Formats: sequence, structure tokens, C-alpha cells
Amino acid sequence: GQQLNQSPQSMFIQEGEDVSMNCTSSSIFNTWLWYKQEPGEGPVLLIALYKAGELTSNGRLTAQFGITRKDSFLNISASIPSDVGIYFCAGQLLSGNTPLVFGKGTRLSVIA
Amino acid sequence: NAGVTQTPKFQVLKTGQSMTLQCAQDMNHNSMYWYRQDPGMGLRLIYYSASEGTTDKGEVPNGYNVSRLNKREFSLRLESAAPSQTSVYFCASCFGGANVLTFGAGSRLTVL
Repeated sequence: GQQLNQSPQSMFIQEGEDVSMNCTSSSIFNTWLWYKQEPGEGPVLLIALYKAGELTSNGRLTAQFGITRKDSFLNISASIPSDVGIYFCAGQLLSGNTPLVFGKGTRLSVIA
Repeated sequence: NAGVTQTPKFQVLKTGQSMTLQCAQDMNHNSMYWYRQDPGMGLRLIYYSASEGTTDKGEVPNGYNVSRLNKREFSLRLESAAPSQTSVYFCASCFGGANVLTFGAGSRLTVL
């Protein structure tokens, strides 16, 4: 099936640092979504992107839909302990009404 | 609270036993999905139902069956459980189209 390459796989950062993660694919997507999963819970939507080049913020989080439609990134500024979790990118392929494809996730740990 | 409800939250089975995971949503969503989550593998789609009365295979359907009982409910059945089916299972739903999924809290299944 289609694959999204999400990196990094894990990150250990100091509280207050900025974080950047990204997803890339060889396929073109018409929607990019970013989810966060906390321990014992299901993923929760953070940001949805629908247009190439779109830059959207949600508090300290900023995500962009790549111009080529083949990538997206998520930045977290001034990290805090509650940012800990697994972050997933997900995309919907350009062709047809198909289910989302998910990246394998970035596990974020924040050291106070 | 409105959302996606999964039962049971935890289950232990012996190899060869059968069981059904239940999922219900009260958001009037058209589409419903079952994913499994394994360490390092991200979220993999098992089956989905784009609308009431239809079901389709996802990336990893072998060993599973589904039933879209009505618009609200979508169940996942394991007819003869195997240790390889030990995983955390997530149900999700959306209106369709842009695929902005809402996830349940997950069902942790262990097969001995």
C-alpha cells in the first residue's frame, strides 16, 4: 500500500526547545492531517491542511502543506511537558475518495 | 460526551477463541473504520465502511470480519484469534470526503 515516511521516529528534547517533524511520500496528496496520541488514548486531530502551500497554526503548533503536495511538516514551539506523546501525519491521496494513509509516528519526549 | 465509543477496553483471549469488538458513534458520521496499532507500525487499516451498507478491505484484513449494523455501529469480529492479532484496536468515524477522523479510546486485545 501507499507509504508515508515520517521522521524522526523519536525525539528527546529539553522543555522550551522547538520541535520539527515531517512526512514525505512519493505520491501526491490532497489532504494532510496531523494527530497527537497520548498514552492510553486514541489519536486526536491537531491540524488539517487542504491546499498546497497552506500554513496553519493551532496555538504553539504550526503545520504546512508542501508545495509539491508530497510532504508536510509540523513544528512545535517552546515545548512543554504536556507535549509528550506520539504525533502522526496522515494524508488522503489525490485520486478518489480513499481512506487516510498514516505515517508510523514520531514519539516525543520532553525533559523538564 | 459525543464521540466514538469502543467496547471492551481490555480483553484477553486464548488462541482459537472468537470475539467481537463493538464501536458506536453518535456524530451522524457516514464512514467508519477499524485500525490496529502495533509498536513501530503506526496505524494500519483493517476494514472500513464508507457508508451504511458497504464495507471494504483495508491494508490488513486477514483474520477479521466486520459488520456495519446501522449508521451508528460498526463491529469487528475475530473468528479464531491468533497471537499475531495481539494489538490495540481503534475505531474511527468521519463524515467522508476530507476524512477528518474522530477516534475512539481503543481496545487492547491480548491473545495467548
